[in-house]
Amino acid sequence: GAVVSQHPSWVICKSGTSVKIECRSLDFQATTMFWYRQFPKQSLMLMATSNEGSKATYEQGVEKDKFLINHASLTLSTLTVTSAHPEDSSFYICSARGGGTGLYEQYFGPGTRLTVT
Amino acid sequence: AQSVTQLGSHVSVSEGALVLLRCNYSSSVPPYLFWYVQYPNQGLQLLLKYTTGATLVKGINGFEAEFKKSETSFHLTKPSAHMSDAAEYFCAVSERTSYDKVIFGPGTSLSVIP
Repeated sequence: GAVVSQHPSWVICKSGTSVKIECRSLDFQATTMFWYRQFPKQSLMLMATSNEGSKATYEQGVEKDKFLINHASLTLSTLTVTSAHPEDSSFYICSARGGGTGLYEQYFGPGTRLTVT
Repeated sequence: AQSVTQLGSHVSVSEGALVLLRCNYSSSVPPYLFWYVQYPNQGLQLLLKYTTGATLVKGINGFEAEFKKSETSFHLTKPSAHMSDAAEYFCAVSERTSYDKVIFGPGTSLSVIP
C-alpha cells in the first residue's frame, strides 16, 4: 500500500523558535496533502489542504502566518510552525492523496509530536 | 455541513466478546465513510471504507461495518475482541462531490479486558 512518512517523529523546541515538519509520500505522487492537529484524547482537526504548486487552503481559525505550508513537489509537503509557543504543543499528522488509489482515500503519516518548552 | 458522531467516548469489552462501536453521520449528499484505528503515538490506519456497492464492508483484522442509509449509520463490529484491538477508533466521512475534506468523529477508545 501507499506509504507516507513524517520527519521528525518528535521534536522539542524552545518558545519563540520555528520548527519544520516534513511529510513525504514514498511510493506514490501526492497531488494533495493534508495537515491535521490532534490534542491528547481528542480527534483530528484539519488545519489545511495543500495542492502541489499551489498555496495552501487553511481551515477557519488556523493562522496561516503561523503555520506555513509548502507543497513544492508531488512527494513532499512541509509544515513550519513559526515562533512556536507552548500552546502549539500537539501531535501533527499529515496525509496524502493521489497515485491512482482513488480520489477519496487519504494515507496517513505516523505523526510528529511537537513539544514547546 | 457534514458531521460525525460516535456514541460512547470509551467502550470496554471482555476478550472474546463482541465489539460494537457506533457511528452516525450527517451529510447532505451520499458520503464516503471510513473507520480508522490509532494506536498510542501513532498515525491512523484505515480499517475499512464504504464508497459504493455492497453495504456490508469487511476490513482488516476481522472488523466489518454496515452502511445503513435510512439510519445514517456506519457501525463497526468484530465478533470476538482480542487484546490487540485496544486502541482509539475514528469514524470519518467525506463528501463524494468534495474529495478534499475528511471529517473525523470524536473517537472511541476501546479497552479489552482479559
